Amino acid sequence: SQQGEEDPQALSIQEGENATMNCSYKTSINNLQWYRQNSGRGLVHLILIRSNEREKHSGRLRVTLDTSKKSSSLLITASRAADTASYFCATDVTGNQFYFGTGTSLTVIP
Amino acid sequence: EAQVTQNPRYLITVTGKKLTVTCSQNMNHEYMSWYRQDPGLGLRQIYYSMNVEVTDKGDVPEGYKVSRKEKRNFPLILESPSPNQTSLYFCASRQGGYNEQFFGPGTRLTVL
Repeated sequence: SQQGEEDPQALSIQEGENATMNCSYKTSINNLQWYRQNSGRGLVHLILIRSNEREKHSGRLRVTLDTSKKSSSLLITASRAADTASYFCATDVTGNQFYFGTGTSLTVIP
Repeated sequence: EAQVTQNPRYLITVTGKKLTVTCSQNMNHEYMSWYRQDPGLGLRQIYYSMNVEVTDKGDVPEGYKVSRKEKRNFPLILESPSPNQTSLYFCASRQGGYNEQFFGPGTRLTVL
């Protein structure tokens, strides 16, 4: 399977702290995307980083991509209780086929 | 409002009874896709469509059918559902090229 894996599977932090989650994948990609899912609901796109990019920012989000290590990280700074959710990375391999990781469950304690 | 809609949102059925889950998007997106989400397995792609009348298999297509007769609609058909198809299903769409996907709210299917 080309499925990615997130690490850690679960993360619990205090409000105001930073949260870092990692994603590893197996094959060459066009881009890598991060999504958030609130308990059993639809996924919401957070950020897309292309294979020729190394770092990208969006608000409190910072994503890095290391294609040599086939890994990516998502950093959420100054976390809020509303950030409590599951976070998934998805690799775009062919432009049509997407492979999602198993997700990191983030709990932000007020 | 730009959105992807799915119906029904919840469905309980019995083994072998054909069912269809509808998906519709109002963003004129070329690409649409179906996923299933199971605990510990993340989301797995079932089928995708690059445009009208163009579909292809994803990672787990067995037991499913799709059709794309109109750009906005992409129904998922289970001809003979089995209990191992009990899952949470998501439809998604995106514009052509390498862009983010927009997801529907999900359909929770239970096959008894």
